[in-house]
Amino acid sequence: AQSVSQHNHHVILSEAASLELGCNYSYGGTVNLFWYVQYPGQHLQLLLKYFSGDPLVKGIKGFEAEFIKSKFSFNLRKPSVQWSDTAEYFCAVKWGNQGGKLIFGQGTELSVKP
Amino acid sequence: NAGVTQTPKFQVLKTGQSMTLQCAQDMNHNSMYWYRQDPGMGLRLIYYSASEGTTDKGEVPNGYNVSRLNKREFSLRLESAAPSQTSVYFCASTTGGWSGANVLTFGAGSRLTVL
Repeated sequence: AQSVSQHNHHVILSEAASLELGCNYSYGGTVNLFWYVQYPGQHLQLLLKYFSGDPLVKGIKGFEAEFIKSKFSFNLRKPSVQWSDTAEYFCAVKWGNQGGKLIFGQGTELSVKP
Repeated sequence: NAGVTQTPKFQVLKTGQSMTLQCAQDMNHNSMYWYRQDPGMGLRLIYYSASEGTTDKGEVPNGYNVSRLNKREFSLRLESAAPSQTSVYFCASTTGGWSGANVLTFGAGSRLTVL
């Protein structure tokens, strides 16, 4: 069965530190890839998405992610985090041969210390 | 625009009771989803409907049933609630297919407690 893994469950950083959150998915084929963010008490919001083309995708708030097909990975990065980035981050994958099924990872809680 | 509307927002049930979570979207989306969110588990897909008239099981369908009543509405039913179904439930919808616009819009969530 398809699965999505986020290896970091809880990350604690100081402001201005760089961030990289890992996301790997099971087996390949054509995929759509997403990162969503959930700020405390709020809905999930889209950070960025990959459908095709340039594997380096830029999203909102200075976030970017790189799709590495050979590694089945879609890691999220930000060069310098802010206290306001404290939130839970979810990677999600949609496989092209599975109709509309869209699977999320377990989430990574990011705490940024001021 | 209302987007995705879920009802109820909160519900407390006793073990064995049944209930239906309602979801409606007004964006003319084709695909609709039900997820549950539990601490440390992320969002797990319960059922989804790729288009009107179709429904498919997700990762954790046991104990749930769904109905895609029409293009707008997708309900989730718990026939005999169990404490393990205590969770926050999210409905979501998207245009479907394989386009760059295919991004989920989430409802506000329904917090269900089963005693």
